[in-house]
Amino acid sequence: SQKIEQNSEALNIQEGKTATLTCNYTNYSPAYLQWYRQDPGRGPVFLLLIRENEKEKRKERLKVTFDTTLKQSLFHITASQPADSATYLCAQTGEAGTALIFGKGTTLSVSS
Amino acid sequence: EPEVTQTPSHQVTQMGQEVILRCVPISNHLYFYWYRQILGQKVEFLVSFYNNEISEKSEIFDDQFSVERPDGSNFTLKIRSTKLEDSAMYFCASSERWGGSTEAFFGQGTRLTVV
Repeated sequence: SQKIEQNSEALNIQEGKTATLTCNYTNYSPAYLQWYRQDPGRGPVFLLLIRENEKEKRKERLKVTFDTTLKQSLFHITASQPADSATYLCAQTGEAGTALIFGKGTTLSVSS
Repeated sequence: EPEVTQTPSHQVTQMGQEVILRCVPISNHLYFYWYRQILGQKVEFLVSFYNNEISEKSEIFDDQFSVERPDGSNFTLKIRSTKLEDSAMYFCASSERWGGSTEAFFGQGTRLTVV
């Protein structure tokens, strides 16, 4: 079955730096890949969606890349701020294609 | 901004009891989902629902669980004979289209505590 791996459980960076989070997947390549933000005790909140024929997608300080050869997506937050501290989840559809399956997430801490 | 609403926010139940978790998806969405998150663990898919039937379910979603859309607005998750290990945050979500092609909107969750 498909596996989604977010290699780093935690990432600590200083304010103003760029945070880069990694999502790897096995087996089949999904048509879409999504990134969500989750704050403690809250539901995931959608950030970005990238399609398999897109190399890169941007939204304000966020950037996502999708490399179907490497089976990897990178999520970047530029000029990071303490308010960016949260858990970031990578998600794609499972084999049946009807629902999102999530990685374990990477918890980002931005210190001032 | 439209949002997914879940009630109650916190439910405490005795082991062996039945609980019903309620969700009101976004009104023009047709696809509905339940997820759970045990404390400190990942968000796990339970079930997807469309056109009044289950489209996909995970291994977690066994005979203990059922879902229903009893009217035009509510979407419920029933857990029978609750066990201690059912204690988790349960999230409802909805989307305009299937799976990964569009964003999913999540509710704030129901924290279920089985004692």
